[in-house]
Amino acid sequence: QKEVEQNSGPLSVPEGAIASLNCTYSDRVSQSFFWYRQYSGKSPELIMSIYSNGDKEDGRFTAQLNKASQYVSLLIRDSQPSDSATYLCAATGGFKTIFGAGTRLFVKA
Amino acid sequence: DTAVSQTPKYLVTQMGNDKSIKCEQNLGHDTMYWYKQDSKKFLKIMFSYNNKELIINETVPNRFSPKSPDKAHLNLHINSLELGDSAVYFCASSQDYFTSVADTQYFGPGTRLTVL
Repeated sequence: QKEVEQNSGPLSVPEGAIASLNCTYSDRVSQSFFWYRQYSGKSPELIMSIYSNGDKEDGRFTAQLNKASQYVSLLIRDSQPSDSATYLCAATGGFKTIFGAGTRLFVKA
Repeated sequence: DTAVSQTPKYLVTQMGNDKSIKCEQNLGHDTMYWYKQDSKKFLKIMFSYNNKELIINETVPNRFSPKSPDKAHLNLHINSLELGDSAVYFCASSQDYFTSVADTQYFGPGTRLTVL
């Protein structure tokens, strides 16, 4: 059974701090990895995608991938209250995308 | 302008009824999906179609039947609704599942189904 695991949280950080979200996956076939943000009552929207080992930066967001450790993370710098949402990690491989259960992030003003 | 649209947004119905949810995408994508998100926010794949052909059929009761009349539409029909079917159902699309390793999925707004 392929799995993507995340700490459900909630993760609470003060405004301006770095939020660190982590994800592990069980299937070594997984090739592509995604972070989606989902606000309450809304649909998931893509934040970052990564498929090579290392870091990928986009504005305040940095995704990190370590395939040997089967580990993906998302760092959010200068966290804002508007970043408060559930962050879903997803892994794609073997023609299937598996989502984690999500980590709830609260950014306190 | 909506990329992936679903109707209805809310659906409240009695146990035992049959209902349908419609999904349309105007992105020109080849692949479409149905996901179920339960009260714990766990997003689980139900079905996936590529160019109108079923490519993923997870362990879903056969009361759920998807239909893709063309590659821009993927509808979900549910027979004999049960209390446990209450959830948010998301439709999504991606460019081409088979040829793109990094295949971003674009989600519709969701349909909140409540079975009484």
